[in-house]
Amino acid sequence: RKEVEQDPGPFNVPEGATVAFNCTYSNSASQSFFWYRQDCRKEPKLLMSVYSSGNEDGRFTAQLNRASQYISLLIRDSKLSDSATYLCVVKGDGYNKLIFGAGTRLAVHP
Amino acid sequence: NAGVTQTPKFQVLKTGQSMTLQCAQDMNHNSMYWYRQDPGMGLRLIYYSASEGTTDKGEVPNGYNVSRLNKREFSLRLESAAPSQTSVYFCASFSQANVLTFGAGSRLTVL
Repeated sequence: RKEVEQDPGPFNVPEGATVAFNCTYSNSASQSFFWYRQDCRKEPKLLMSVYSSGNEDGRFTAQLNRASQYISLLIRDSKLSDSATYLCVVKGDGYNKLIFGAGTRLAVHP
Repeated sequence: NAGVTQTPKFQVLKTGQSMTLQCAQDMNHNSMYWYRQDPGMGLRLIYYSASEGTTDKGEVPNGYNVSRLNKREFSLRLESAAPSQTSVYFCASFSQANVLTFGAGSRLTVL
């Protein structure tokens, strides 16, 4: 089993739609969680950290469920510019080791 | 402020050739990483360096060596390239604010 697993995608949604991605992780001792965004043929960039109480940044909401070991990302009012691959990232315990999920591709169409 | 700079951006090698990917960061970060990214596999950790003078294996270290030359630089070496090492390689450094900053990537093709 992979340490970090994501919805395979791709998600094809119209502009204005709400879309949600899930990610599960296997190491219950994981300490920190993040969502990164990667545009085609570019490097990943931090979208947002995921806090225990859940957090929101504009149209983006991240949630963490430690008991079930999953995190989620909700995007409201999708824009064409949201088209990208979204990577779930989990930081392990003890040292700064970050494990990436395979990514979920989102395509927003007019 | 350049962030993380890696070179070369593109490289084509023949099987058995060697090469070194260079990475430098100017953010005074302690931790640095090398990942490879293949279609459908996501980013996989090759090696990381928690601080100057230390290196540790990640998920897929076979066929690679690394050097943490100083706090700024972390290089990745392929001693004898194989077609299975065709990939996009990303160097990254990690801030105390838990932000991983990536270089622009190096596309390597091994024929």
